Amino acid sequence: EPEVTQTPSHQVTQMGQEVILRCVPISNHLYFYWYRQILGQKVEFLVSFYNNEISEKSEIFDDQFSVERPDGSNFTLKIRSTKLEDSAMYFCATGQTMNTEAFFGQGTRLTVV
Amino acid sequence: AQSVTQLGSHVSVSEGALVLLRCNYSSSVPPYLFWYVQYPNQGLQLLLKYTSAATLVKGINGFEAEFKKSETSFHLTKPSAHMSDAAEYFCAVSLNTGGFKTIFGAGTRLFVKA
Repeated sequence: EPEVTQTPSHQVTQMGQEVILRCVPISNHLYFYWYRQILGQKVEFLVSFYNNEISEKSEIFDDQFSVERPDGSNFTLKIRSTKLEDSAMYFCATGQTMNTEAFFGQGTRLTVV
Repeated sequence: AQSVTQLGSHVSVSEGALVLLRCNYSSSVPPYLFWYVQYPNQGLQLLLKYTSAATLVKGINGFEAEFKKSETSFHLTKPSAHMSDAAEYFCAVSLNTGGFKTIFGAGTRLFVKA
């Protein structure tokens, strides 16, 4: 069964550093999303991406964050100048069309120290 | 604005007892509704989904949910709890806003007692 793959599964970074979280979508999916789950809290929408541009973003997704699909396969989330409060599980999700549900990856646990 | 409310952050049942996890939604348009399960330190696994077909939806692991428009509810049930059902359960509504943004409820942690 096709699945969304995220790497790394766990990343530890020092405060102020930049991190890039990677996601390999299901091959025929065109819609891409990032979500965040701070430990013990609910899953929050960050951004949706289609046709190489952001479709929608939440208030969480400020200038510190960026997304891109640099090589037509990987979908990345870059977090610049990380803060302690960026520590969370980050989930990538992809969907085939705008009317079908998104499939979630297993997540990347980011720990900022 | 669309939202999801899960009643009860923690639910505890005995093994073999009925599981009932409550979810109410608000949506200005017919929603797509989902239940996800998250085991400790793992990702999100889709249990079941409602996409405007049958109102009673059956999912994996013996779970089912019923969409009740009049009550704006989508409660999750399982006739007989198993120890392996202990996990966090999230109700979610998806919105077609030029993509398929998913709004999650706060989650309900299910405890199963032996």
